[in-house]
Amino acid sequence: QVQLQESGPGLVKSSQTLSLTCTVSGGPLSSRGYYWSWIRHHPGKGPEWIGYISYTGNTYYFPSLESRVSVSADTSKNQFSLQLTSVTAADTAVYYCASLRGYSFDSWGQGTLVTVSS
Amino acid sequence: QSALTQPASVSGSPGQSITISCTGTSSDVGGYNHVSWYQQHPGKAPKIMVSEVSNRPSGVSSRFSGSKSGNTASLTISGLQAEDEADYYCSSYTSSSTYVFGTGTKVTVL
Repeated sequence: QVQLQESGPGLVKSSQTLSLTCTVSGGPLSSRGYYWSWIRHHPGKGPEWIGYISYTGNTYYFPSLESRVSVSADTSKNQFSLQLTSVTAADTAVYYCASLRGYSFDSWGQGTLVTVSS
Repeated sequence: QSALTQPASVSGSPGQSITISCTGTSSDVGGYNHVSWYQQHPGKAPKIMVSEVSNRPSGVSSRFSGSKSGNTASLTISGLQAEDEADYYCSSYTSSSTYVFGTGTKVTVL
């Protein structure tokens, strides 16, 4: 099973871009059948799936976030990244990276809290 | 799309069985057998407990079992143990090719 670890700033100013990186160990990003995902969790609510980049490099995003989200991969570093533009306080959440296989998220990172400040 | 509906809390005594429900629509839970359940202890990463409605990944205790009827999926924990005290979330694939999670259930072992 792969291991994942998120990294990035814990504080982002309103209207700026949130950028996070997920480092994967235990297997290459190109492993067949893997969809490298980002999920966020607002306090008191259920988790929200943001989107993924597939082992072939295809991306798919949650429609309501699609205009602000980008997920990319750096196979040389075995990392994938999230960029979320024009952030507001509503984007304050714990952000997780996870591996999606089949239709389940079988490995997760520890999560990182990102706070959007005004 | 709206989050799947779970009870906010469920409790039980050690050794008892409890069931957590997860209610969606025909566009998610009811339309596909792609329902998963996750356990999360405070400060820890979520852990998959059940996939595809009722499949237990390797290493997950047989005390955890899943089922589905119509638009509602369920997770049953039998022989409740202190270590089962955690938050539990369901998730489902949707007709929009996205994923939706449940509102979460806090399990308390009395």
